[in-house]
Amino acid sequence: DAMVIQNPRYQVTQFGKPVTLSCSQTLNHNVMYWYQQKSSQAPKLLFHYYDKDFNNEADTPDNFQSRRPNTSFCFLDIRSPGLGDAAMYLCATRDPQGARFRQPQHFGDGTRLSIL
Amino acid sequence: GNSVTQMEGPVTLSEEAFLTINCTYTATGYPSLFWYVQYPGEGLQLLLKATKADDKGSNKGFEATYRKETTSFHLEKGSVQVSDSAVYFCALHPSGGSNYKLTFGKGTLLTVNP
Repeated sequence: DAMVIQNPRYQVTQFGKPVTLSCSQTLNHNVMYWYQQKSSQAPKLLFHYYDKDFNNEADTPDNFQSRRPNTSFCFLDIRSPGLGDAAMYLCATRDPQGARFRQPQHFGDGTRLSIL
Repeated sequence: GNSVTQMEGPVTLSEEAFLTINCTYTATGYPSLFWYVQYPGEGLQLLLKATKADDKGSNKGFEATYRKETTSFHLEKGSVQVSDSAVYFCALHPSGGSNYKLTFGKGTLLTVNP
């Protein structure tokens, strides 16, 4: 099945040590999103890419960066993780083109990040 | 701006009980409406969707009808199972402009007991 794949499922890092989370998709969707989710709260959008155009949410901390080297892959970099960054990180994709403009977002299973 | 208000949980039901989770929205035009489900430790899965007024989305025994007049999209299931225990999120995508952003409700935790 076409899908959104996040690796790893669980990531442990040390306070202040940079960490990278990855997301890949086989859906060939133009738009990719990164969300942060804490304690069964609603996911909070960090940023998204429309093709190669990067769009940061106004309240996303500078500590969070992203890269999208091609259509299939997107990375979330946390430069200096703090204890408050422990959360589930969700990647999602969407194809907003043409007749499919009302299509939903497709989510991966997430990466749960722990900070020691 | 856009917003989604859904029934606060947690909701606890016995197996085979009837489920309703209320969801109302505020948005201009005709947004697309979705219900997502999140099982423990997993990502969000699309449960059902509706893209225009009076559309009924359905999946796995769950249903929701897009009611423009009441700006609602309530989730219902006639007979819940233990396996339905999860967090349910109501969400909308705006219909125009920069329609990239999904607006979520706060989520409703459902626990079904045998």
